[in-house]
Amino acid sequence: EAQVTQNPRYLITVTGKKLTVTCSQNMNHEYMSWYRQDPGLGLRQIYYSMNVEVTDKGDVPEGYKVSRKEKRNFPLILESPSPNQTSLYFCASSGGHVTEAFFGQGTRLTVV
Amino acid sequence: GQNIDQPTEMTATEGAIVQINCTYQTSGFNGLFWYQQHAGEAPTFLSYNVLDGLEEKGRFSSFLSRSKGYSYLLLKELQMKDSASYLCAVKDYGQNFVFGPGTRLSVLP
Repeated sequence: EAQVTQNPRYLITVTGKKLTVTCSQNMNHEYMSWYRQDPGLGLRQIYYSMNVEVTDKGDVPEGYKVSRKEKRNFPLILESPSPNQTSLYFCASSGGHVTEAFFGQGTRLTVV
Repeated sequence: GQNIDQPTEMTATEGAIVQINCTYQTSGFNGLFWYQQHAGEAPTFLSYNVLDGLEEKGRFSSFLSRSKGYSYLLLKELQMKDSASYLCAVKDYGQNFVFGPGTRLSVLP
C-alpha cells in the first residue's frame, strides 16, 4: 500500500531533550516536506526537499533540522525543543510533475 | 512572495450547495490542489486543476482561472460529514506546495 509513515504518533518530552520524528514514504517520491499546524494558523512549512541531499527552508525553519540521505526518509530533528514547538506535525511527499501531496498520519508533539 | 487567501469560516445547511473561494499569488504555477481535513487528522486530497475550467468529481467540483489567480471548490448536497477544513494549495515552479490558511466549514442540520 502506498503510504507516508510518521513516527511517533504522539510524543511528550521535556525542554532541551533532543528528539527526532521520522518520516518514510514507499512511493519513490522526489519531493518531501514537513509542516506544523497550530490552531487557527493552517499548515506552515518548516523544511522541504526536492531530492536526496537537497533541502530548503520553508516559512518557519528556526529550531528545526532535517536531512535527506535516502530518497524514502526525511527525518525532522529538534536539537533543543522548547514549549513553543508544541504542535501537530505532518510530513508529506509527492512525485512527478502534476501529482498531489500525500500526507502522513501526523505527530502530536508536546514539549513541557 | 507567496500568498494564498481563503475565507476563515463558512456555514451552510445540510443538503445545500457551498462555494469556497481561493485566490493566490505565487512564484509560478504547476497546479492548484484542494484538500479536506477533519480536526486532528491528516489532509486528504480532493481535486486538482492545471488548466482553466471546471473539474467535476461526484459531489465536489473545482474551478480554476489562472489569469485571475482564482479557484473555487463547490460542494453539492452537503452532508454533516462534510464539516471540516478545506485547504487550497498551489504547486509553484519549484514544485513546492504552498498552502492557504484553510476554510473551516460547518454544516448545520
